[in-house]
Amino acid sequence: SQQGEEDPQALSIQEGENATMNCSYKTSINNLQWYRQNSGRGLVHLILIRSNEREKHSGRLRVTLDTSKKSSSLLITASRAADTASYFCATDPGTGANNLFFGTGTRLTVIP
Amino acid sequence: DAGITQSPRHKVTETGTPVTLRCHQTENHRYMYWYRQDPGHGLRLIHYSYGVKDTDKGEVSDGYSVSRSKTEDFLLTLESATSSQTSVYFCAISTSGPSNTEAFFGQGTRLTVV
Repeated sequence: SQQGEEDPQALSIQEGENATMNCSYKTSINNLQWYRQNSGRGLVHLILIRSNEREKHSGRLRVTLDTSKKSSSLLITASRAADTASYFCATDPGTGANNLFFGTGTRLTVIP
Repeated sequence: DAGITQSPRHKVTETGTPVTLRCHQTENHRYMYWYRQDPGHGLRLIHYSYGVKDTDKGEVSDGYSVSRSKTEDFLLTLESATSSQTSVYFCAISTSGPSNTEAFFGQGTRLTVV
């Protein structure tokens, strides 16, 4: 399977702390994306990082990509209760299959 | 939710019956996808479309068919529902393939096959 794997599966932190989630994948990729899913809702795109990029920022989000280790991390700084959600990484292997391969997600709980 | 409507939002059906889920978009995006989400598996692609009447299979296409007769509508049909098809189904759209752009997701359809 080309599916990514997030680590940890679940994370619980206090409001104001930083949250770090990791994603490992198996094949070479064209890009890697992070999505958020609130309970009972669809996924919302957070950030896309291409294979030739090493780091990307968007607001309180920081994503890194290490293609040699086939891994990525998502850092959420100064977390808020509203950040409570599941976070998924998705990889595009660039094979022309027009598919994103999603991991199983990290469930983040931010305690007010 | 980026102009994507899934219907129905919830459905309970019996084993062996056909079921059709509908995805409607108002964004005029070229690509449309159907995923299923199951615990421990993340999201897995069932079928996708890259234009009107242009569709292709994803990872888990067995037991499913799709049709796209108009840009805005993408239908997913379970030809003879089985309990293993109990899942949450998500439609997604994007302007181009996953190499370039983000995907926008609908709110999901929870299907229970009894």
